[in-house]
Amino acid sequence: ILNVEQSPQSLHVQEGDSTNFTCSFPSSNFYALHWYRWETAKSPEALFVMTLNGDEKKKGRISATLNTKEGYSYLYIKGSQPEDSATYLCAFGDAGKSTFGDGTTLTVKP
Amino acid sequence: GAVVSQHPSWVICKSGTSVKIECRSLDFQATTMFWYRQFPKQSLMLMATSNEGSKATYEQGVEKDKFLINHASLTLSTLTVTSAHPEDSSFYICSAPLGGQSIEKLFFGSGTQLSVL
Repeated sequence: ILNVEQSPQSLHVQEGDSTNFTCSFPSSNFYALHWYRWETAKSPEALFVMTLNGDEKKKGRISATLNTKEGYSYLYIKGSQPEDSATYLCAFGDAGKSTFGDGTTLTVKP
Repeated sequence: GAVVSQHPSWVICKSGTSVKIECRSLDFQATTMFWYRQFPKQSLMLMATSNEGSKATYEQGVEKDKFLINHASLTLSTLTVTSAHPEDSSFYICSAPLGGQSIEKLFFGSGTQLSVL
């Protein structure tokens, strides 16, 4: 069983704060690392697929980095907004067959 | 973007009854559909992979006779929980990959909360 860990479990920030969270995964047999945003009562939405060590991806105010040698990925949100409130999931592996982390739940207070 | 529609969103049923959950890809053809289960405060766990026109493949520990999967067309996959019991109460969600990419991008349904009384 692969171990994919996300930290922190939850996070409360004020509007305008920048924040980041971590996904840790096995450093061997790397295939891909996926990040998803999951808003309450909605479908998880794919944010990034990362495949290469040193990858950096950006989508608006959200960005992610990848270190496959040490087995971690960071997700950054710059200038958090209330609409960023969601659970952010990472998943390690081949898309649908990936192992998912438990998620980090972000709450942004206006 | 691609949409996967999942119904019902929630269902309450009596112990011993069967429940069917549907996932439809609305604007693309899904030859593969993944089914997951999530218990409270746990991560999404892959239950099975359904493939259009062939038998589903189940993950270790998932009873194929209890969780019947049918992928009758390129846009519809169903999961039937047969003879449901309270321990089957969980959140069930599907996803389908959008093909044609080297690393597949997944599109998820919105999930079904099943409560078995």
